[in-house]
Amino acid sequence: NAGVMQNPRHLVRRRGQEARLRCSPMKGHSHVYWYRQLPEEGLKFMVYLQKENIIDESGMPKERFSAEFPKEGPSILRIQQVVRGDSAAYFCASSPLGTGGTDTQYFGPGTRLTVL
Amino acid sequence: KQEVTQIPAALSVPEGENLVLNCSFTDSAIYNLQWFRQDPGKGLTSLLLIQSSQREQTSGRLNASLDKSSGRSTLYIAASQPGDSATYLCAVRPSQGAQKLVFGQGTRLTINP
Repeated sequence: NAGVMQNPRHLVRRRGQEARLRCSPMKGHSHVYWYRQLPEEGLKFMVYLQKENIIDESGMPKERFSAEFPKEGPSILRIQQVVRGDSAAYFCASSPLGTGGTDTQYFGPGTRLTVL
Repeated sequence: KQEVTQIPAALSVPEGENLVLNCSFTDSAIYNLQWFRQDPGKGLTSLLLIQSSQREQTSGRLNASLDKSSGRSTLYIAASQPGDSATYLCAVRPSQGAQKLVFGQGTRLTINP
């Protein structure tokens, strides 16, 4: 069973361009979470999605950021008009259940975004 | 608002030593607490998960304890090895209904051969 897959692993964008980050959850997992890790900081929750639904986006910046998890295909985190402050590692995690006593989130390797 | 703090930020010890990493959280009403390991340029690997009703969990040379009332958790690593060098992250799940994990900033551990 392949783990959580993210691509690209490294992404370089110039200011003003768009960044698209992809996450394929583990097989059988229908819940996806996105976290951002700024340099020298801990991971910060951004958004939690189930198939075709955004459940909790309380950590998403109000502008330029959006996320989706379509019925078919990977989850996408989209950043429009990137700025230097968006440079960070973006991690995706997945879980089989949204609730449950021992529900563990499994993390992907991350996408490292650099904005020039 | 739940906040998680890890002390120290960095730790360097000789191989073979036992060591303790600390994690504290401001709101004791948590659902569970998890310790992760992060290697440079890689994702997170879950090490141990402690439910709020539990006091400790063990896996091999690792032992994690939880004291909810005081808002503290420790990760004990016995007989440390160079391969244990990594950043260790503590994360709290605030409630059963909340899916987000609240992370500390991590402790960067270096084991010197």
